[in-house]
This record gives sequence, structure tokens and C-alpha cells, in this order.
Amino acid sequence: QSVVTQPPSASGTPGQRVTISCSGSGSNIGSNPVNWYQQLPETAPKVLIYSNDQRRSGVPDRFSGSKSGTSASLAISGLQSEDEADYYCSVWDDSLKGWVFGGGTRLTVL
Amino acid sequence: QVQLQESGPGLVKPSDTLSLTCAVSGSSIAYRNWWGWIRQPPGKGLEWIGYIYYTGNTYYNPSLKGRLTVSVDTSKNQFSLKMSSVTAADTAVYYCVRSSVSPDFFGDWGRGLLVTVSS
Repeated sequence: QSVVTQPPSASGTPGQRVTISCSGSGSNIGSNPVNWYQQLPETAPKVLIYSNDQRRSGVPDRFSGSKSGTSASLAISGLQSEDEADYYCSVWDDSLKGWVFGGGTRLTVL
Repeated sequence: QVQLQESGPGLVKPSDTLSLTCAVSGSSIAYRNWWGWIRQPPGKGLEWIGYIYYTGNTYYNPSLKGRLTVSVDTSKNQFSLKMSSVTAADTAVYYCVRSSVSPDFFGDWGRGLLVTVSS
């Protein structure tokens, strides 16, 4: 059981906007910036969003991140079939003195 | 562009020590970065294992601490992971990663190496 929680699944149709949530506590999301990773099938994860809302170079502006209190969200607008992947939030936890990942959200494009 | 390449045995016996190495190219390992390991059991999510700063400062996952050693070899521009007393629960794809400093995120990943713990 991860200390930060994500919904196990999400879905949307092409062109739709979907959001994926990441819920934590004061020792992690409440105190530190959140990063978001995308893992396409059979590949290594790659960072999409860092420091809550900063897009990594080369990441389409369809992807955006936000944080409020002890929760963070990843939004994907104009959903495309190639967005079908697993998405993970990650944050440093001051109590554990280590990085924690959410359990991951599998996004299906219907 | 930093490139990372994991190497090591794909099969380890229970109670043995798992030893992996990550070769770094495109960047000197003796630079302001954290170098570490993340694993992913088959069909499951990501788990941070630990990382090391080039100066030797380390942080380890508390749930794995006591079994872990991450070290850096600046002469070979590579870093290593040793995990002792492995069990079947340690079967996973192991990724080596580079984390920048401020902002902190895992910006570069190796392709991953599947390590199976089985007799």
C-alpha cells in the first residue's frame, strides 16, 4: 500500500480531457513538489511533469500538472490513442526520507 | 544526452546477493546528480530503491534498508547496486536512473533489466 494513492484506472475517448489524481499527506505532497511519469507498454518510464506543473522539454502542452494542499493532478487534454499508458505520480517523503510512487493509473483511450 | 545501461545476472538464487551495474555515458558521474535504482515487479508499480550522490552520500528505501548498498566507481563512470538475502519478492525489472538536483526528478532511465529470483 503506497503512501500516495492514485486511481487504478481512467479512461476517455479521443479528444476528451481526463484528469488523474494523486493523494498524499503533509509529509510528502503537502511539503514537496510532485513529478509525473508516463510508462508506455514495454518501455521505461519517462518524466512528463516535474515540480508540480513544469513540462519536460518535448512534452506536448496537452499535458499539465497542478497541486493543491496534499493532492496533485495530471490533466491530459485532446486525448490521443498514443496517450494510452500507465501514469505514476512521485514525490519525496520527509518522514520516510525517500521517494515514493503512487500505485499507478492505467489510462485507456476508448 | 545521458545514456544508462544496466548489466548483471538475470537469474539469482534465493538468499544470494543481487549485484547490478549501471554504465553511464554522455555525462561524468562525478557531477551534481543523484544516481540510483528503481524497480518494477512484473505487472506492478514502481518502487524506488535508493540513490547515491557522486560524493558518496546515499539514501535508501527504508523498507529495503539493511540489505542495500549503492556505490559509485568514478574511474569507470558507473554505479552499482547490491541487494542481499533476496527472495522471490525481489523479482522485478530493475532500472538505473539519474536524478537532477533542484529540480529533483528522474530524468534519465536505463532500458531496465529483468532479474528473477528462483532456485
